[in-house]
Amino acid sequence: TQLLEQSPQFLSIQEGENLTVYCNSSSVFSSLQWYRQEPGEGPVLLVTVVTGGEVKKLKRLTFQFGDARKDSSLHITAAQPGDTGLYLCAGVSSNTGKLIFGQGTTLQVKP
Amino acid sequence: SQTIHQWPATLVQPVGSPLSLECTVEGTSNPNLYWYRQAAGRGLQLLFYSVGIGQISSEVPQNLSASRPQDRQFILSSKKLLLSDSGFYLCAWSVRGARGEKLFFGSGTQLSVL
Repeated sequence: TQLLEQSPQFLSIQEGENLTVYCNSSSVFSSLQWYRQEPGEGPVLLVTVVTGGEVKKLKRLTFQFGDARKDSSLHITAAQPGDTGLYLCAGVSSNTGKLIFGQGTTLQVKP
Repeated sequence: SQTIHQWPATLVQPVGSPLSLECTVEGTSNPNLYWYRQAAGRGLQLLFYSVGIGQISSEVPQNLSASRPQDRQFILSSKKLLLSDSGFYLCAWSVRGARGEKLFFGSGTQLSVL
């Protein structure tokens, strides 16, 4: 069974700080997605990375796909309270084509 | 543009009562449809997915069932709810693009079984 391990599970920081969330697996994924979810709402897709080593930027968010397509990271620069939420990574299995979700990282940014 | 509607937003049901959650998608044809369950602040567990009318695949054995009576309608049901059925239920539809399959989620139903 392919698993995606996210770390940390919970992160509480002050506004203006930088942070990195990691998504790791021992398996290869054909692509990897990052979602953000606010309480009481469904997840919203932020980005999809496909190529090993790919880096995508979305304003203050930087997403990277590992060279071997087994891991990914999300880096937020100068976090703001509006960044608060649950961040989920999800990988498309290169074996089954199914989407597998990580357990999520809850981010709290204090003003 | 495509939209997904899921209702109700919250539901409190006694143990042993039936359940029916409904999800509809607008603005697209023959979508892949999904039901997920999420524990508080955690990842998503896929319950059912459907690639067409009457075609349902179950990912895990459970007390729930799903049906797709129309192309853009997906229903999650139970005949008798258990305490362990409590959770946040999410419906989603997907589109396959150049960068793989993307999921679009409804706003979820918070189910409390008491």
